[in-house]
Amino acid sequence: DVQLTQFPSSLSASVGDRVTITCRASQSISRYLNWYQQKPGEAPKLLIFGSSSLQSGVPSRFNGGGSGTDFTLTITNLQPEDFATYYCQQCFSTFITFGRGTKVEIK
Amino acid sequence: QVQLQESGPGLVKPSQTLSLTCTVSGDSISSGGYYWTWVRQPAGKELEWIGRIYFSGNTNYNPSLKSRLTISVDTSKNQFSLNLTSVTAADTAIYYCARDRVVAALGYMDVWGKGTTVTVSS
Repeated sequence: DVQLTQFPSSLSASVGDRVTITCRASQSISRYLNWYQQKPGEAPKLLIFGSSSLQSGVPSRFNGGGSGTDFTLTITNLQPEDFATYYCQQCFSTFITFGRGTKVEIK
Repeated sequence: QVQLQESGPGLVKPSQTLSLTCTVSGDSISSGGYYWTWVRQPAGKELEWIGRIYFSGNTNYNPSLKSRLTISVDTSKNQFSLNLTSVTAADTAIYYCARDRVVAALGYMDVWGKGTTVTVSS
């Protein structure tokens, strides 16, 4: 199975900051990597698919990139509504896996 | 607008079977191009993919759950279901259903239900 390692597991940032979350796959997964945002008490929400494609309705301050084993999610100009937990997910294998999440907290 | 709604018992006794249904509205399960997926999340923990089904009945399961798991689809009711046998406290979680859109082998879960909490306890 493809294991996904996310880091950091948590970070503190301020409104207006730029933050980067990394997701590393245990084997090459091409660009079969998606990112989700989850707020407390809510279902996950798709942000980025195929490593870098922005889901409709998602603000352009969210940017994804990478291929192979290393991927990033960058949020520029962090907004109050962006404080949440972010998960990466791979669909290279028919055994789909998620990373363990990165919690973005207010500094 | 596509909506998914989970339903089923909130409390299941240990060793019994957990059964949940996801009702899809605003789209036809039979339209193709999507897998219909179950994901769970124990309180305070990460997401775990359970499995998925295509309208044709083709399934993919999490290997760690495969021996206890059945996912089925009822196209006449526009629903898909999850049955997990021999449950233990470790199966206590929020269970989400989701639409997994597949385009040229790339799949992504673009619509989610609100989730339903299932507790395994006697």
